[in-house]
Amino acid sequence: QVQLVESGGGVVQPGGSLRLSCAASGFTFSSYGMHWVRQAPGKGLEWVALIRYDGGNKYYADSVKGRFTISRDNSKNTLYLQMNSLRAEDTAVYYCAKDQHDTSGNFDYWGQGTLGTVSS
Amino acid sequence: QSALTQPASVSGSPGQSITISCTGTSSDVGGYNYVSWYQHHPGKAPKLMIYDVSKRPSGVSNRFSGSKSGNTASLTISGLQAEDEADYYCSSYTSSTTWVFGGGTKLTVL
Repeated sequence: QVQLVESGGGVVQPGGSLRLSCAASGFTFSSYGMHWVRQAPGKGLEWVALIRYDGGNKYYADSVKGRFTISRDNSKNTLYLQMNSLRAEDTAVYYCAKDQHDTSGNFDYWGQGTLGTVSS
Repeated sequence: QSALTQPASVSGSPGQSITISCTGTSSDVGGYNYVSWYQHHPGKAPKLMIYDVSKRPSGVSNRFSGSKSGNTASLTISGLQAEDEADYYCSSYTSSTTWVFGGGTKLTVL
């Protein structure tokens, strides 16, 4: 069965960095686009970024463009999110989500999430 | 990328039907047939319930249905059950290969 397990969350000061990972299993990872979606405390879901199946194209929400970088290692079945210049408003549970195809935007499997907290 | 507009809460009794609306603009909901709906029980992974406006993934009950008219999409749940109580989010494709979610609707089964 499909499993997505996020890790790497923690507490970081404003201006700092965090690197999140998402270990995937149960499907052919290299055939699907992958997304990051976040949920700030008490708020709704927010789409963050997409990376295509082969890592060739990446897309970002305006709120993170230039600060966050999505990447993947298909040999390790792992998705990453490098988050730099972090702000208090980046505090959220970060979910990785599998795309139903490559860029459909239908998130058919999700992980349980990892919490990133930006605080001094 | 403004969030899509959903009612903050809806409620219904077991067996009844409810509808959750999701209003956007011609640049997202109204411009593409790429609206999806997610059920989220707090502390758990969200679950895809409807995609491409009205399609149901395998395994999702046919009590869940989706539709769209103009800039507003809707999720209808018929025959409400206690386990349907959750937060529901709509999502739409926008231009430039980005996506936007709604603010979420808390469904209470009375």
